[in-house]
Amino acid sequence: GAGVSQSPSNKVTEKGKDVELRCDPISGHTALYWYRQSLGQGLEFLIYFQGNSAPDKSGLPSDRFSAERTGGSVSTLTIQRTQQEDSAVYLCASNSGGSKETQYFGPGTRLLVL
Amino acid sequence: SQQGEEDPQALSIQEGENATMNCSYKTSINNLQWYRQNSGRGLVHLILIRSNEREKHSGRLRVTLDTSKKSSSLLITASRAADTASYFCATDRGGSARQLTFGSGTQLTVLP
Repeated sequence: GAGVSQSPSNKVTEKGKDVELRCDPISGHTALYWYRQSLGQGLEFLIYFQGNSAPDKSGLPSDRFSAERTGGSVSTLTIQRTQQEDSAVYLCASNSGGSKETQYFGPGTRLLVL
Repeated sequence: SQQGEEDPQALSIQEGENATMNCSYKTSINNLQWYRQNSGRGLVHLILIRSNEREKHSGRLRVTLDTSKKSSSLLITASRAADTASYFCATDRGGSARQLTFGSGTQLTVLP
């Protein structure tokens, strides 16, 4: 596609439920990144994929968070047993990954846990 | 934890004035990038400056980098109401680290 897309745009869920967020990177981009942004804050790194593997999961805040990427393209971020503190905008970015370069961001998914 | 810190946290100026935002960071970097964010959604890349560069221009944007002070500044000249947004600096530490480390941002408001 022309840019990084994310779905859903908005998600409201009840505490304790699981949610799945999806990211479609720019076609051909091998590197994919997930970030979280709480209200009024900067971005917090969650996880990075190169192809289908995740060499850096250091940012995942707890074992309730997991992510996968299949076919070197679409990635899903899953949050199990959501808590109110998980409420944030979840942003996905992609790039070619070969050298240090700009990241192209999607519009984000705004998650609200009631 | 956030490495970059921007100041000011908020800046309000009149259209036509220049806006300057500063960013400080703590570790050595490969490059530093500035991003813009409207309405708390996706970020748009503005400019990248490498660690061996001191100044870079792009249109109305001017970025400086002082690696000895671990600081950078973003200058927007002749600001417009459409420049109203949040601006973030992000550092790339290079090596095996791939993620960007973002600051907490500067909220710029340009009044018409």
